[in-house]
Amino acid sequence: GAGVSQSPRYKVAKRGQDVALRCDPISGHVSLFWYQQALGQGPEFLTYFQNEAQLDKSGLPSDRFFAERPEGSVSTLKIQRTQQEDSAVYLCASSLAGWYRGGQSSYNEQFFGPGTRLTVL
Amino acid sequence: AQSVAQPEDQVNVAEGNPLTVKCTYSVSGNPYLFWYVQYPNRGLQFLLKYITGDNLVKGSYGFEAEFNKSQTSFHLKKPSALVSDSALYFCAVRDKDKAAGNKLTFGGGTRVLVKP
Repeated sequence: GAGVSQSPRYKVAKRGQDVALRCDPISGHVSLFWYQQALGQGPEFLTYFQNEAQLDKSGLPSDRFFAERPEGSVSTLKIQRTQQEDSAVYLCASSLAGWYRGGQSSYNEQFFGPGTRLTVL
Repeated sequence: AQSVAQPEDQVNVAEGNPLTVKCTYSVSGNPYLFWYVQYPNRGLQFLLKYITGDNLVKGSYGFEAEFNKSQTSFHLKKPSALVSDSALYFCAVRDKDKAAGNKLTFGGGTRVLVKP
């Protein structure tokens, strides 16, 4: 079946430009995550949505970063006034919701898209 | 806070030999643990997870991992490596405590090179 898709796959921006990165999660997945992966490093968490609600944005590095998921499916990560340090691969992931009841909890794995490689000149 | 350490930047192994990729973690409570693999210009692919139950977890492509609570480790293993296993491997953790949030914390990755 269809996996997580992201567009564009590559983006080159001049310093100071605004960019918008799109993520289409797997149909029916409630949870959506954005991660930033710098060259040679592991992904780092940016933000998390459950349906249309942004429940955690603790990883956003500055107020130039903004994410939305208005209808609970497609999400957009926007970076305003891009800087060279924003150059990275931006990964989107989706998952079925976990559950928590009776003191027991579970957690479903996240499925990742191919990423958008952003280069800021 | 939660964290993951992958002490080896690269692991070299001959095809047909056993492969081990090391991972240790730190969480304040109990962990959910994951292994992902990344091929060039592609996103992360899920290999396996430990949620609860048996400490030995079997996953995709013949990989398995053993959860060791006393050593806070979750090493990835494959009995007989293939050249096609050459890739970048990431270990990730999430604290089971609901208050910790849903984010995964990843290690820095280990590059595996399997030589024919």
